[in-house]
Amino acid sequence: DAMVIQNPRYQVTQFGKPVTLSCSQTLNHNVMYWYQQKSSQAPKLLFHYYDKDFNNEADTPDNFQSRRPNTSFCFLDIRSPGLGDAAMYLCATSKTRDPRYEQYFGPGTRLTVT
Amino acid sequence: AQSVTQLGSHVSVSEGALVLLRCNYSSSVPPYLFWYVQYPNQGLQLLLKYTSAATLVKGINGFEAEFKKSETSFHLTKPSAHMSDAAEYFCAVTSYSGGGADGLTFGKGTHLIIQP
Repeated sequence: DAMVIQNPRYQVTQFGKPVTLSCSQTLNHNVMYWYQQKSSQAPKLLFHYYDKDFNNEADTPDNFQSRRPNTSFCFLDIRSPGLGDAAMYLCATSKTRDPRYEQYFGPGTRLTVT
Repeated sequence: AQSVTQLGSHVSVSEGALVLLRCNYSSSVPPYLFWYVQYPNQGLQLLLKYTSAATLVKGINGFEAEFKKSETSFHLTKPSAHMSDAAEYFCAVTSYSGGGADGLTFGKGTHLIIQP
């Protein structure tokens, strides 16, 4: 089955220690998104890639970076995690940037910062 | 800019009763609207979407939603609730510009509780 895969499902890191979250997709979609979802809140868009074009949301902290080495993979790097970065991180894909297309979500990575 | 508002952070219904989850949108351009469901510790699953074709949209698991431009609403309904419907439901609108979609803007979510 074509899908969006996120690894790991649960990640524990220490305050200030860099961490990388991984997303891969077998859908061959052009667009990949990263969302942050804090406890009992709605997902909030951090950034997205259209092909290799990177688009950052204006209020995404500089502490968050992303890489997309190829169509299938996208990484979220948190350079110096703070306690406030503890959240579920959701990766999503879409076939194109046509707004009529839905997004397909992975299961998420729950990040704990100690 | 586009936004959605979900009325009611928690909705409780009895098993077999009608489910109604409310969503109102604000958009300066034609909106593209979605309902997603999220089970605990899982990602989001698409229930249905409105993309300017039919105003009454049918989705998975017996859910449907009606787009009403005059009321700027896109409420989600299901005639008969099942215990397995207990989950978090998010209404979302695509944020887009001339270059295309920039991502989804979500409402705050509605937690649906099913009473036996």
